[in-house]
Amino acid sequence: EPEVTQTPSHQVTQMGQEVILRCVPISNHLYFYWYRQILGQKVEFLVSFYNNEISEKSEIFDDQFSVERPDGSNFTLKIRSTKLEDSAMYFCASRGTGTPLHFGNGTRLTVT
Amino acid sequence: KNEVEQSPQNLTAQEGEFITINCSYSVGISALHWLQQHPGGGIVSLFMLSSGKKKHGRLIATINIQEKHSSLHITASHPRDSAVYICAVEKTSYDKVIFGPGTSLSVIP
Repeated sequence: EPEVTQTPSHQVTQMGQEVILRCVPISNHLYFYWYRQILGQKVEFLVSFYNNEISEKSEIFDDQFSVERPDGSNFTLKIRSTKLEDSAMYFCASRGTGTPLHFGNGTRLTVT
Repeated sequence: KNEVEQSPQNLTAQEGEFITINCSYSVGISALHWLQQHPGGGIVSLFMLSSGKKKHGRLIATINIQEKHSSLHITASHPRDSAVYICAVEKTSYDKVIFGPGTSLSVIP
């Protein structure tokens, strides 16, 4: 069964550094999402992406965050200048028309 | 106020027991999702429903749109069912999905 792939599985970075989290959604899916989960808390929506543009973003998704779908297959989340509070599990998800969400296994980001 | 609430927060059951997890929400929705989060962190979709009832194996999900309430039932529970079960709602089709706090289930042999 096709699946959403995320890399890396774990990323450690220093405060102030830029990180790029990568996702390969399921190939025929049209809707793409990034969510995050701070340890011990619930999953929070960051951004949705459709038709090569952001369709919605949360208040968390401020100017330090950006998303891209550079080549029609990858879907990336960039955090420009990481803060300690960005430490979390980041999940990519995709879905097709009428289908439920398919999640990747997540990238655990640790900012030191 | 949270838009999605779940009860109970934690649940411990003996193997074989019938389990019910409840979800209530305060907004109009186009669909409701039940998801399972494994101890390792991965999230799997169990059901997406907008009315009535769905069944998959030992899992049953129901929704009452008028009462803004959904339930997830697990029949003949097994230790491998131990996970966090999350209710999430979608206000507009394909829009963001708003997650509830999750119910942590532990099934003891």
